[in-house]
Amino acid sequence: GDSVTQMEGPVTLSEEAFLTINCTYTATGYPSLFWYVQYPGEGLQLLLKATKADDKGSNKGFEATYRKETTSFHLEKGSVQVSDSAVYFCALSPTSGSRLTFGEGTQLTVNP
Amino acid sequence: SAVISQKPSRDICQRGTSLTIQCQVDSQVTMMFWYRQQPGQSLTLIATANQGSEATYESGFVIDKFPISRPNLTFSTLTVSNMSPEDSSIYLCSVEDVGHNEQFFGPGTRLTVL
Repeated sequence: GDSVTQMEGPVTLSEEAFLTINCTYTATGYPSLFWYVQYPGEGLQLLLKATKADDKGSNKGFEATYRKETTSFHLEKGSVQVSDSAVYFCALSPTSGSRLTFGEGTQLTVNP
Repeated sequence: SAVISQKPSRDICQRGTSLTIQCQVDSQVTMMFWYRQQPGQSLTLIATANQGSEATYESGFVIDKFPISRPNLTFSTLTVSNMSPEDSSIYLCSVEDVGHNEQFFGPGTRLTVL
């Protein structure tokens, strides 16, 4: 079945550092890929998505590129802020309107 | 994106009781889902709430334990029945309009069972 694997956390960075959170997936066909963010005490917010190979999703300075050849969707940000501290989830959906399969989540803490 | 509300936002319940969680969307949506997030864990899909028919449950989840209703395209309920401490989790509803390929989540219901 479908699965998503994220890099182990937690990740601790200083403000303005470069962020990479690795995500790889296993799925048949061409799933859509997502990054969600969960701030403390809140629900999930969709951060960005990509629906086909080589698509780049971007939002709020975060980027991720859909790499079919390496089955990866790594999240990057050039300069993190304290306000980026949250749990980040990578997820996939095989088709529109179907279930999301989530990775384990990565806790990010950014220190001033 | 749709605005999703859940009630209650949190609750503390006694073992053996049941709790019904409501999910309300500000617009009609095709798909509604219920997920569980156990403490420190990722999200697991409980079921897809189908409008006007029985929900579709994932492996490991049964209707007797998690009955779901969806009377229209903007509202759904999830009941956690005969609760035990292992049911302590965050329960989240999500919605998607087919063709939009984006799921949006409610704020979640934090349930603690004593």
